Amino acid sequence: KQEVTQIPAALSVPEGENLVLNCSFTDSAIYNLQWFRQDPGKGLTSLLLIQSSQREQTSGRLNASLDKSSGRSTLYIAASQPGDSATYLCAVMDSNYQLIWGAGTKLIIKP
Amino acid sequence: NAGVTQTPKFQVLKTGQSMTLQCAQDMNHNSMYWYRQDPGMGLRLIYYSASEGTTDKGEVPNGYNVSRLNKREFSLRLESAAPSQTSVYFCASSEAGTKTYEQYFGPGTRLTVT
Repeated sequence: KQEVTQIPAALSVPEGENLVLNCSFTDSAIYNLQWFRQDPGKGLTSLLLIQSSQREQTSGRLNASLDKSSGRSTLYIAASQPGDSATYLCAVMDSNYQLIWGAGTKLIIKP
Repeated sequence: NAGVTQTPKFQVLKTGQSMTLQCAQDMNHNSMYWYRQDPGMGLRLIYYSASEGTTDKGEVPNGYNVSRLNKREFSLRLESAAPSQTSVYFCASSEAGTKTYEQYFGPGTRLTVT
């Protein structure tokens, strides 16, 4: 059974730092992997989607990488800002096109 | 573009009461999903509908029923609410056969059962 783990559960860094969020999964037979952002009490915002054949995707200050063989993905945030404070969720789509979710990393950027 | 809409946004129920959560999408997607999100956890799939007229159980279906009313609408019913069903409920839709099968999410319904 696919399991998705996100470490750390919470992270606090000063504004301006570059940071990396981690996501690991147990079964490498994935269709794609997606990173979402969730603000407190709000819905889900899709940030980046990486197909299983891809190694990385970039959007602005965000870069997501995928290493299927090791079961790992990272979300790199450059030059962090207080507005980046949110919970970041990782989800893998399995071979049945179902999303399996991590519990998220709560990110706080201190001004 | 409305995308995926959910009603209501908030609901408080007493134990044993019933209610239906509504979801509609205007993207002509075939597949629709219901998830629940509990504090400190990722989303878990309750039920999904791969196409109009079909529904299947997900990871946590107990205590819920669903209806795929038509291609646009997918409802989730709690027949006898329990405190363990206090959660945030998200509806999503996707189009099978696209390159990504990307799911698009509604804003969520926050349900409290007392």
